[in-house]
Amino acid sequence: DADVTQTPRNRITKTGKRIMLECSQTKGHDRMYWYRQDPGLGLRLIYYSFDVKDINKGEISDGYSVSRQAQAKFSLSLESAIPNQTALYFCATSAPGSPQETQYFGPGTRLLVL
Amino acid sequence: AQSVTQPDIHITVSEGASLELRCNYSYGATPYLFWYVQSPGQGLQLLLKYFSGDTLVQGIKGFEAEFKRSQSSFNLRKPSVHWSDAAEYFCAVGARGAGSYQLTFGKGTKLSVIP
Repeated sequence: DADVTQTPRNRITKTGKRIMLECSQTKGHDRMYWYRQDPGLGLRLIYYSFDVKDINKGEISDGYSVSRQAQAKFSLSLESAIPNQTALYFCATSAPGSPQETQYFGPGTRLLVL
Repeated sequence: AQSVTQPDIHITVSEGASLELRCNYSYGATPYLFWYVQSPGQGLQLLLKYFSGDTLVQGIKGFEAEFKRSQSSFNLRKPSVHWSDAAEYFCAVGARGAGSYQLTFGKGTKLSVIP
C-alpha cells in the first residue's frame, strides 16, 4: 500500500464551489506539505504543517486553506474555486529533526475548475 | 533564498544513448540536493539525493548525479536510456539547518525517448 495517499485523484468543479482535497500518510512523519504543479512552473508550496498545531503559509497560499486533523491527515480546501486554480496538487511528508530531511510525495490530485 | 535552474525544458534521446540532465542551484552554502522523477500520470518519485560526502551519488533505476561545488551544479546522468525513462525530471534544493524543510524545485525537464 502507498505510504502517502490522496483523494480524490481527479476532480472537476465549477467556479465558486468549495472543494476539499485530502491527504493521508502511514509514514509516521510529523511534517506535511501541499504543493501545486503547473506546466512549466515546477512545484510551488501552498501550505505546510510541522504538527497538528503548527500550520504555516507557503509561497502561494492565497485562495487556499488547510486543516491538520491528525498527525496522519492534512486537507487542502479551496473556499471558492476559480479557473486559475486548475492544477495538479501534491501532498508530501517528511520527518523532522534529521539532517537528511527528504520529502515523500503522494500520487497527486488533478483538479479542473470550469 | 535558494533557487534552481534547469536549463533544458525538453530533451529527446534515442534508446540506449547516454543522458545528462542539467541542474544549477543558487545557495549560500552547501545545500541538500535532490532529483525527482514524475512519470506520466504519476506522482513524484525520489531518484537520489546529496547531503554530504562523496560528490558522486548513485540512485535508483541506474541514475547517478554529481555535485560540483565550483559550478553550483548537480547534473543527473544515465549511461544508457531505456524507453521507460521517458518522464519529467525535477531538481530540487533544500536549505540546511532550521529551514531544511524548504524545498525549491526547478521547472522540470521533460525527457522523450526515441525507440
